[in-house]
Amino acid sequence: QVQLVESGGGLVKPGGSLRLSCAASGFTFSDYYMSWIRQAPGKGLEWVSYISSSSSYTNYADSVKGRFTISRDNAKNSLYLQMNSLRAEDTAVYYCARDVHSSPIPGFDYWGQGTLVTVSS
Amino acid sequence: QSALTQPRSVSGSPGQSVTISCTGTSSDVGGYNYVSWYQQHPGKAPKLMIYDVSKRPSGVPDRFSGSKSGNTASLTISGLQAEDEADYYCCSYAGSYNPRVFGGGTKLTVL
Repeated sequence: QVQLVESGGGLVKPGGSLRLSCAASGFTFSDYYMSWIRQAPGKGLEWVSYISSSSSYTNYADSVKGRFTISRDNAKNSLYLQMNSLRAEDTAVYYCARDVHSSPIPGFDYWGQGTLVTVSS
Repeated sequence: QSALTQPRSVSGSPGQSVTISCTGTSSDVGGYNYVSWYQQHPGKAPKLMIYDVSKRPSGVPDRFSGSKSGNTASLTISGLQAEDEADYYCCSYAGSYNPRVFGGGTKLTVL
């Protein structure tokens, strides 16, 4: 069965960095676009970034552009999110999700359980 | 990119039907047939219910249906059940620059 397991969340000071990981299993990881989506406490969902199956294409929400970098290692079935220059407003649960389309068209058919990132001094 | 507009809350009694709207612009909802809907129970990850406006993933009951008219997409839940009580989010493709935009979410209460 498809499983996505995020890790790497935690407490970090404003201006700090954090790297999230997502371990995928139960499907051919290298066939799918993957995304990061976040949810601030008590708030709605916000798309953060996606990466194409071969890492050729990436895209970011304006709110994280220039600070976050998405990457993947198909040999390790893993997705990553490098987060730099973190701000209080980046505090959220971060989900990795599989894209149902092999394209930028949204449709997230499997989600991880999420990892909490808290940015606070 | 502004979030899509959803009602903050809707409610219905068991067995009834409810419709949740998701209003955007011609740059997102109205411009593409790529709206998806997600159900989220408290403390849980979201679950895909509808994609490409009206397609249902396997395992999703046919009580859930999606449609679109102009700049507004809709999720209809018929034969409401207690377990349908959750938050629901829409998401639309919005072009190549900022391709994914979510709605603010709607809390469905089953009375």
